[in-house]
Amino acid sequence: GAGVSQSPSNKVTEKGKDVELRCDPISGHTALYWYRQSLGQGLEFLIYFQGNSAPDKSGLPSDRFSAERTGGSVSTLTIQRTQQEDSAVYLCASSLRQGDNQPQHFGDGTRLSIL
Amino acid sequence: AQSVAQPEDQVNVAEGNPLTVKCTYSVSGNPYLFWYVQYPNRGLQFLLKYITGDNLVKGSYGFEAEFNKSQTSFHLKKPSALVSDSALYFCAVRVDTGRRALTFGSGTRLQVQP
Repeated sequence: GAGVSQSPSNKVTEKGKDVELRCDPISGHTALYWYRQSLGQGLEFLIYFQGNSAPDKSGLPSDRFSAERTGGSVSTLTIQRTQQEDSAVYLCASSLRQGDNQPQHFGDGTRLSIL
Repeated sequence: AQSVAQPEDQVNVAEGNPLTVKCTYSVSGNPYLFWYVQYPNRGLQFLLKYITGDNLVKGSYGFEAEFNKSQTSFHLKKPSALVSDSALYFCAVRVDTGRRALTFGSGTRLQVQP
């Protein structure tokens, strides 16, 4: 497909387990972003990648959260020792690097539920 | 710090009537402004952006927005609403330098009644 692809679409796990969320950006998009959408907090920025490097990790809420990107394409967001407050929809977006005014294109998200 | 305010949690409008969804922003520097729409269980879909130039920006599906620097506003408008426009709308901002991440408003639910 031509859009941003995220998997899984839904994930239910027990408190304390680790989870991995995957994002496959639009081909040719070198910038990749992770956001979290929750009822109480709205849309929050988590981390930004340019290529494989992450110049802005300022939104990661704790050291339980980490992300990586390999080959300038697919990214994984990992949450260790999940807590109930981690329940949210995790959205990935990508954009072209050329120019700073390119819109971000979003995937449909992963709905994470921590029991 | 940058911020976005969407003062209305919900906007109700009758089909065929004009609609306005309000957005004001606060940034240090020149703003890049965006509107996105979200349908149930879907990601955000880009509608339009203001970067520079004409204050009236036209976007997808007949939507437009007017950038007003003195009022720091970027209201979304459409001359004639459709029932299918019912969705959640987000305004977002970033500055022209520095942080690339978008700061989003809290969202406004648009309900268009037949």
